[in-house]
Amino acid sequence: AQKITQTQPGMFVQEKEAVTLDCTYDTSDQSYGLFWYKQPSSGEMIFLIYQGSYDEQNATEGRYSLNFQKARKSANLVISASQLGDSAMYFCAMREGSTDKLIFGTGTRLQVFP
Amino acid sequence: GAVVSQHPSWVICKSGTSVKIECRSLDFQATTMFWYRQFPKQSLMLMATSNEGSKATYEQGVEKDKFLINHASLTLSTLTVTSAHPEDSSFYICSARGTDLYEQYFGPGTRLTVT
Repeated sequence: AQKITQTQPGMFVQEKEAVTLDCTYDTSDQSYGLFWYKQPSSGEMIFLIYQGSYDEQNATEGRYSLNFQKARKSANLVISASQLGDSAMYFCAMREGSTDKLIFGTGTRLQVFP
Repeated sequence: GAVVSQHPSWVICKSGTSVKIECRSLDFQATTMFWYRQFPKQSLMLMATSNEGSKATYEQGVEKDKFLINHASLTLSTLTVTSAHPEDSSFYICSARGTDLYEQYFGPGTRLTVT
């Protein structure tokens, strides 16, 4: 069974608008961490934001925020005020408490247009 | 903040030869390093986890005799693709995690093309 599901293969957003990238996860662990990474065409993985399973508040990092809904097992990434440079692949990932491994979703390609 | 480098950034080799990829943590000690493989337009798949001074743990389906991993120091791990074949052509990315870091920091990746 898929542990991390990203249902949007591609998303378009106009510059300066907000966009939400969906991510749902599946785990039986009580302790886990959720991550979002950005991968531009150059290939490097850029860490954006982290949410721990016990964190009560949604994580925020600048224009990035994570809409964490534990009961629904969703961890959507919200990018506010999109910029052209935000165009990239975005991966959601999970680390289960019992291991040190990251499991990645299939990614969402975001394209920001003027 | 935590920087991870990889060398080379791209390599072309002939079928049957071996190629070594280095992953270095530049400003922190990486107790654990991870090696991923990414085919075009696909996600990252974990190949193996290596801890300094011990043997790597390989994921199911990854041939450990083909993908040799060495984590000889707290700042360096190497992946050697032995007897490379065209189907080994891929983007290989390493990441590193220190004892006081909760996230993995990724290297810039190495694009391997086997002709």
